[in-house]
Amino acid sequence: QSALTQPASVSGSLGQSITISCTGTSSDVGAYDFVSWYQQHPGEAPKLMIYDVNNRPSGVSNRFSGSKSGNTASLTISGLQPEDEADYYCSSFATSIPYVFGSGTKVTVL
Amino acid sequence: EVQLVESGGGLVKPGGSLRLSCAASGFIYSTHRMNWVRQAPGRGLEWVSSITRGSSYIYYADSVKGRFTISRDNAKNSLYLQMNSLRAEDTAVYYCARVARAAAAWNYGMDVWGQGTTVTVSS
Repeated sequence: QSALTQPASVSGSLGQSITISCTGTSSDVGAYDFVSWYQQHPGEAPKLMIYDVNNRPSGVSNRFSGSKSGNTASLTISGLQPEDEADYYCSSFATSIPYVFGSGTKVTVL
Repeated sequence: EVQLVESGGGLVKPGGSLRLSCAASGFIYSTHRMNWVRQAPGRGLEWVSSITRGSSYIYYADSVKGRFTISRDNAKNSLYLQMNSLRAEDTAVYYCARVARAAAAWNYGMDVWGQGTTVTVSS
């Protein structure tokens, strides 16, 4: 049950696009199209942004999109806004357990 | 309003026990799978445990297996986490979270989270 690997930080300028990677194994990310992404602002509970690799819950901006290739999933934020500055976590279904989270990525808007 | 409210956190000595509760409201609780997720100070999210609607299937992270017990009472719209043999590394904010979509499998992610309850394990 090792955490999925994410870059510690990613930064981008206002209006720019950034991509956060989430690398797992053939037992989690690579085996299932069940990757979710969460946004967490300081002192707040996480918010679901993407599920099933590339589906957005109702109310989530279409500036957020997801993809997957092999053992690596990605979250892209386009048209970066100040409110996008937060921590982001990926999560995947894994063999024998429902969830394994990523290590987290801090997004900074320059 | 759809809501989850955790309670039961506090300061406990190593080796001690605590029981966390999560009260659900604003939705049909019995139709959703439920989870506990924790976050140690300054650290990332860690999945702790999950339970299906009728409690038929229960899962634990290796880090808590044998020490923590998840349960639910659908009549009381409540989720619980009994934590025994607590260790310093169990210190964290504990969130309860529901699986999105009624009668859904785990893949839809967790769409409603509580505000969290803080557990501190220290002598």
